[in-house]
Amino acid sequence: NAGVTQTPKFQVLKTGQSMTLQCAQDMNHEYMSWYRQDPGMGLRLIHYSVGAGITDQGEVPNGYNVSRSTTEDFPLRLLSAAPSQTSVYFCASSYQNARDRGLVGWSEAFFGQGTRLTVV
Amino acid sequence: RKEVEQDPGPFNVPEGATVAFNCTYSNSASQSFFWYRQDCRKEPKLLMSVYSSGNEDGRFTAQLNRASQYISLLIRDSKLSDSATYLCVGWIYNFNKFYFGSGTKLNVKP
Repeated sequence: NAGVTQTPKFQVLKTGQSMTLQCAQDMNHEYMSWYRQDPGMGLRLIHYSVGAGITDQGEVPNGYNVSRSTTEDFPLRLLSAAPSQTSVYFCASSYQNARDRGLVGWSEAFFGQGTRLTVV
Repeated sequence: RKEVEQDPGPFNVPEGATVAFNCTYSNSASQSFFWYRQDCRKEPKLLMSVYSSGNEDGRFTAQLNRASQYISLLIRDSKLSDSATYLCVGWIYNFNKFYFGSGTKLNVKP
């Protein structure tokens, strides 16, 4: 059971290049999300998904696209890399553990090991 | 105002000390809470979930005060290996999102 796997672990891009950060989980978790973490700062939510075919924006979505065609995979695409996107990116997943009056609750987040991205 | 706020620290304590972190949250609809530990340049790892009745795991105790909208983490008998950044996390039903505090850095000194 690998948990949440992110690839690559390190990447250097030139400004204007595009790339996809991969995230896969083998725990059959419905909820998946992407965060970025900048030095001395907390985690900021980029995009999230509550199930295959469903995605939504987080706090800092600009410059990033996601899709969720399967339960297992949640890739993050950088459309045209900028130096401001230099950061550490974490993917996380959660499972549904509660339902109360039509609202769904989620377990703790399980994190991948992160991708360290530098844009020059 | 951020949904979840923490004192960034750092907290510098000697080995064996007891240290407490507090975290406040602004949305009363926040449903679930967690404490995570993050070592330098690594992924956050779950330390413990926080229950309304309070819960304890070895040297760690977590408390939730819904009336005052804060959660706390108490670490007893600090070890050098406890040095890390501690993140508090709230889950809000309405928004279907986790909200992370910025983290409190703990340095345990010999």
